Amino acid sequence: EAGVAQSPRYKIIEKRQSVAFWCNPISGHATLYWYQQILGQGPKLLIQFQNNGVVDDSQLPKDRFSAERLKGVDSTLKIQPAKLEDSAVYLCASSLEGAGATQYFGPGTRLLVL
Amino acid sequence: SQQGEEDPQALSIQEGENATMNCSYKTSINNLQWYRQNSGRGLVHLILIRSNEREKHSGRLRVTLDTSKKSSSLLITASRAADTASYFCATDARGYSTLTFGKGTMLLVSP
Repeated sequence: EAGVAQSPRYKIIEKRQSVAFWCNPISGHATLYWYQQILGQGPKLLIQFQNNGVVDDSQLPKDRFSAERLKGVDSTLKIQPAKLEDSAVYLCASSLEGAGATQYFGPGTRLLVL
Repeated sequence: SQQGEEDPQALSIQEGENATMNCSYKTSINNLQWYRQNSGRGLVHLILIRSNEREKHSGRLRVTLDTSKKSSSLLITASRAADTASYFCATDARGYSTLTFGKGTMLLVSP
């Protein structure tokens, strides 16, 4: 079974530029999550999708972050414009059911904003 | 805000020793999960314990849950160098549909 795929693996941008991350969840997984993990901390949920609907985006900085999950499969997370404090690893995860189920994580995208 | 808090923040042991990590949380939960993260990689699910369970085993892992104290512990027996990683607890709070992670315990197992 293929795991959660993410791209790119690394990205370096300057502040005020825009960036987009892509995630392909495990086939058949209805729930998809985007997390932000700052160095030395645990993952913080940014947005959770159930199929192509948003379940929770309460911690997503909506003035600069946006996410979509077209057709309930792949998802993209965009930051525009980026700030220095956005430097982090962005993790995508998926699960068969809601948040109480086991989540399967991708390798993450490491973002450095200069 | 983070629901779970792991303790200790860092733990260094020798191969063959046991490692114990603790997690405390604030609100009532449906279940609690433990994940492992190797350096520069994504998280890997280790074990899930439901709120009506007190202890669970999986291979060299033993997890306990005390809902009255709002705490959990993860025991890794006969540790190996390959167990070197960060370990996170994550809680699924009642009334919420999201999982909240703690800050993690960094475990170093020396050969």
